[in-house]
Amino acid sequence: GAGVSQSPRYKVAKRGQDVALRCDPISGHVSLFWYQQALGQGPEFLTYFQNEAQLDKSGLPSDRFFAERPEGSVSTLKIQRTQQEDSAVYLCASSLAREWAGELFFGEGSRLTVL
Amino acid sequence: DAKTTQPPSMDCAEGRAANLPCNHSTISGNEYVYWYRQIHSQGPQYIIHGLKNNETNEMASLIITEDRKSSTLILPHATLRDTAVYYCIVRVEFKAAGNKLTFGGGTRVLVKP
Repeated sequence: GAGVSQSPRYKVAKRGQDVALRCDPISGHVSLFWYQQALGQGPEFLTYFQNEAQLDKSGLPSDRFFAERPEGSVSTLKIQRTQQEDSAVYLCASSLAREWAGELFFGEGSRLTVL
Repeated sequence: DAKTTQPPSMDCAEGRAANLPCNHSTISGNEYVYWYRQIHSQGPQYIIHGLKNNETNEMASLIITEDRKSSTLILPHATLRDTAVYYCIVRVEFKAAGNKLTFGGGTRVLVKP
């Protein structure tokens, strides 16, 4: 497709389970971002990749959160031992250039509900 | 990146112009003003950006005051599909690693028939 694709769109997990969220960025986009959006709040930055290099992971809330982009295209956000406070929409965004981030293209997000 | 202040919500009438204000009194000379919007259940969508000159595209117009401490996003003829949360963000255009956009709370705009 032409846009950023995320899967699954919806995920329900029991507390303590591990989850993996996938992002397919726009082909050729160098930069990839993950954001977390709690209900009624603006998106909060989690981590940033430039090709396969994770250059900024300052927003990851704990060591239970891990992201990778091994071949510089598809990225996976993994959450281990999920907690109720992890319930949120996880947004992926990509952009063409390394430094220019004016226009980020966002996916529709993966809504995670932890019971 | 400079902090922005937006009203939490506003209503506007379908077919009329919607004027969305944003204060960014601590903006630096090399920081741009960006606007994104987020329609319900979708990811944010880029609208427009500018440095100091007014900008217009097919979606909206951006008016930046001469002192650059505030700006207004104008949707010229609001439609029901413009109902969304609108985010005003300021940041430098070019930045090395860590060139993330920082979203605030935004303005929840409801376009009414």
